[in-house]
Amino acid sequence: GEDVEQSLFLSVREGDSSVINCTYTDSSSTYLYWYKQEPGAGLQLLTYIFSNMDMKQDQRLTVLLNKKDKHLSLRIADTQTGDSAIYFCAEKTTDSWGKLQFGAGTQVVVTP
Amino acid sequence: GAGVSQSPSNKVTEKGKDVELRCDPISGHTALYWYRQRLGQGLEFLIYFQGNSAPDKSGLPSDRFSAERTGESVSTLTIQRTQQEDSAVYLCASSSGLANSPLHFGNGTRLTVT
Repeated sequence: GEDVEQSLFLSVREGDSSVINCTYTDSSSTYLYWYKQEPGAGLQLLTYIFSNMDMKQDQRLTVLLNKKDKHLSLRIADTQTGDSAIYFCAEKTTDSWGKLQFGAGTQVVVTP
Repeated sequence: GAGVSQSPSNKVTEKGKDVELRCDPISGHTALYWYRQRLGQGLEFLIYFQGNSAPDKSGLPSDRFSAERTGESVSTLTIQRTQQEDSAVYLCASSSGLANSPLHFGNGTRLTVT
């Protein structure tokens, strides 16, 4: 079955690094995604990684993938107050018609 | 258009009424998805369209829910005889359908059933 799990809450001080973790169970994952949702808005694609990669960096964002442990993380360097949002990880699997299976989301609160 | 557009952005309806939610995907995107997000929860898949056909309707919660897509463009999600538990944000997403293409989401329709 498909199951994507995330911790529900993360508090971080402005300027520090944030690390959001995600685990998934489906070994047929092809791509894994991170989305950001600000209050009252839809989901904004942040970054994604192909399952045969173990790291991807995009400006302040670093995605790490441990396929053996089925563990995905998103690191945000120099976290800013504008980074306060809910972050969703999602997986796409080979037999899913392209649909994404989402975690419940991690609420990140950035404090001054 | 530049992004996925959904209308209305907010809808308040009385229990028992029917509602129609509309989604305009990104031009040229053949794949279209509907998700539901209840307050404080993650996204629940409802239905997937490839072109005008729906090969995966597995997430529709009951026969009160239906969706159609015409012209490989606009999609409408219809909820008949709405119930209070239908209150949620309904999100639409589209993609080009290629293996590495991500889903691009609209801002959603917030449905409140009173």
